[in-house]
Amino acid sequence: SQELEQSPQSLIVQEGKNLTINCTSSKTLYGLYWYKQKYGEGLIFLMMLQKGGEEKSHEKITAKLDEKKQQSSLHITASQPSHAGIYLCGADEFGGKLIFGQGTELSVKP
Amino acid sequence: GAVVSQHPSWVICKSGTSVKIECRSLDFQATTMFWYRQFPKQSLMLMATSNEGSKATYEQGVEKDKFLINHASLTLSTLTVTSAHPEDSSFYICSANKLGSASYEQYFGPGTRLTVT
Repeated sequence: SQELEQSPQSLIVQEGKNLTINCTSSKTLYGLYWYKQKYGEGLIFLMMLQKGGEEKSHEKITAKLDEKKQQSSLHITASQPSHAGIYLCGADEFGGKLIFGQGTELSVKP
Repeated sequence: GAVVSQHPSWVICKSGTSVKIECRSLDFQATTMFWYRQFPKQSLMLMATSNEGSKATYEQGVEKDKFLINHASLTLSTLTVTSAHPEDSSFYICSANKLGSASYEQYFGPGTRLTVT
C-alpha cells in the first residue's frame, strides 16, 4: 500500500520567514491534497494537485507536484501566526480513499 | 457549499457503554463517507468507508463489531462505538465525497472528541 512521508515533523519559524514542507510518496501520486488542521479541529482543504509539474497558489501558500508525481512541497511565504497549525498531505487511493502523511506541526513565533 | 457537520462535538462516556456519532452533509448529497480516527499528535487513520445502503468497508485491524457504521441516507452516516473502553478515546473525524463531483475531493467534518472514563 502507499505510504506518505512528511518532513519535517515539526517546524518553528520566526514571523515573516519562508518555509517549505515536503511530502514524499512510495508510489506515483494520482491526486495529492494539502490540508491544514488546528489541533482538535477538522481539516481545512488547501489545494489539490494532479498533474506532474503542477503548481498552485493561494494567498501566500504555494504547492507543487514534481514531474515524476512522487513528491510534493508546500511553501509558505512571509509566514504569519495565522499559518500555525498542522499541515497534512493526503493521497488518493483506490475507491476514493485518502491516506495521510504523519503531519507537520508548524509554529510561527511573532 | 459542501459543509459537513458532526454531532456531538465532544462526548464523555463510561467504560462499557456505547456512543453514537453522527456525520451529516448539510448542503450536498454524499456518495461515500469516510470515518477516521486521530490520536494526539498523530495523523488521521482511515477506519472505514461507508456507502449509502450498503455495508461499510473496514480497514485492516478495525473491528467491525466494535465500530458499527450505518449509512442510512445520502446525507447521514453514523458511527457507534460499542462497549467503549478508555483506549477508544480519540478524535473521530468523518468526511464525505460530493455526489456527481468530478474529483475525489473530500469534505471533512469538524471532528468528535470521545473520552471514555
